Amino acid sequence: NAGVTQTPKFRVLKTGQSMTLLCAQDMNHEYMYWYRQDPGMGLRLIHYSVGEGTTAKGEVPDGYNVSRLKKQNFLLGLESAAPSQTSVYFCASRPLTGGETQYFGPGTRLLVL
Amino acid sequence: QKEVEQDPGPLSVPEGAIVSLNCTYSNSAFQYFMWYRQYSRKGPELLMYTYSSGNKEDGRFTAQVDKSSKYISLFIRDSQPSDSATYLCAMSLTGDSWGKLQFGAGTQVVVTP
Repeated sequence: NAGVTQTPKFRVLKTGQSMTLLCAQDMNHEYMYWYRQDPGMGLRLIHYSVGEGTTAKGEVPDGYNVSRLKKQNFLLGLESAAPSQTSVYFCASRPLTGGETQYFGPGTRLLVL
Repeated sequence: QKEVEQDPGPLSVPEGAIVSLNCTYSNSAFQYFMWYRQYSRKGPELLMYTYSSGNKEDGRFTAQVDKSSKYISLFIRDSQPSDSATYLCAMSLTGDSWGKLQFGAGTQVVVTP
């Protein structure tokens, strides 16, 4: 049982490049979330999803898109990366019932030059 | 003004001391309160979970919620160097079926031997 995994662990992009971050969970959780974490800002919600094909915008969605084609995977896309998207990205998941606790992945560090 | 305020620290204490952490919040509708621990370059992991008001104890950790003051606390007794981490408070609303969490910025704790 790997829990929540994220790929890649670290990536350097040039301004304007695109990339996709992959989150996978093997706990059969319905809810999945993408956050970014910046110094002094805490965790801010980018997008979230409950089930395949259902996504919604969070607090800071601009510049990002997401897809949930399979229950276990949640993809975060950056179509045209900007230096302001330099951050650490965390994915989390949660079951439909049984409490509010979210389970986090190890994070992806992204540097946009 | 942020919905959840947390002093970023760092908070430096000697081994064996009591660590006292707190968060204040502005939205009286928050009902679920959590503390996450985050080691350097790792994802957050749940430490304590409390519903509504009151105290909860788990080993060396005690979480308190004072809804009348909109104030939550985490106490760590007999602190150890392994407790050195960033501690994030998080909270969510009653009736938010998406389970979105609002996080504080996190307090960095350093326990010196």
